Amino acid sequence: DARVTQTPRHKVTEMGQEVTMRCQPILGHNTVFWYRQTMMQGLELLAYFRNRAPLDDSGMPKDRFSAEMPDATLATLKIQPSEPRDSAVYFCASGLVMGVTSGPHSGANVLTFGAGSRLTVL
Amino acid sequence: AQSVTQLDSHVSVSEGTPVLLRCNYSSSYSPSLFWYVQHPNKGLQLLLKYTSAATLVKGINGFEAEFKKSETSFHLTKPSAHMSDAAEYFCVVRPSGNTPLVFGKGTRLSVIA
Repeated sequence: DARVTQTPRHKVTEMGQEVTMRCQPILGHNTVFWYRQTMMQGLELLAYFRNRAPLDDSGMPKDRFSAEMPDATLATLKIQPSEPRDSAVYFCASGLVMGVTSGPHSGANVLTFGAGSRLTVL
Repeated sequence: AQSVTQLDSHVSVSEGTPVLLRCNYSSSYSPSLFWYVQHPNKGLQLLLKYTSAATLVKGINGFEAEFKKSETSFHLTKPSAHMSDAAEYFCVVRPSGNTPLVFGKGTRLSVIA
């Protein structure tokens, strides 16, 4: 089965440290999403890419978070400096969008999620 | 505003008994609706989806959901719960083709032996 691969699965770090999470989307999928899951907020969309171009990162705190897609097989989410409130599970998901569309998830009926990266910032 | 409400944060059933996980949505348009399942320490997996075809949708693992426009509901059911069904279930709505997915808060299903 094709799957979305995320690393690391677990990360414990101290406040102020840099954290980088990586995602390998499913080969052929042209849209990649980053979500954050917490007990309080549930699932929040942080950012998404289409054909490697960042389309929307309005859900992401800009001062400390950055998302990139250096090539079609790798998406990264970086937090610098990390804070305790960043503790959460971060999910990457990918999907295939056909045709000309706008807006996140548009046309992507089915998303495939990775297993998540559980981040704890002390 | 578009929203989705999962009416129960936790549902507990005995093995072999029916499962009902409730979901109501608000949308001004004809939405697409999904149920995802998340097992512990795993990502979300698509169970089933409704995209304006048949109102009764069958998914994996014996789950099904019925779209009822008059009630703005999309409840998830299964005739007989299995221990492996214990997980978190998310109702998700895409109000129209170009709008973001809206995730419910999730319902944790416990199955008692």
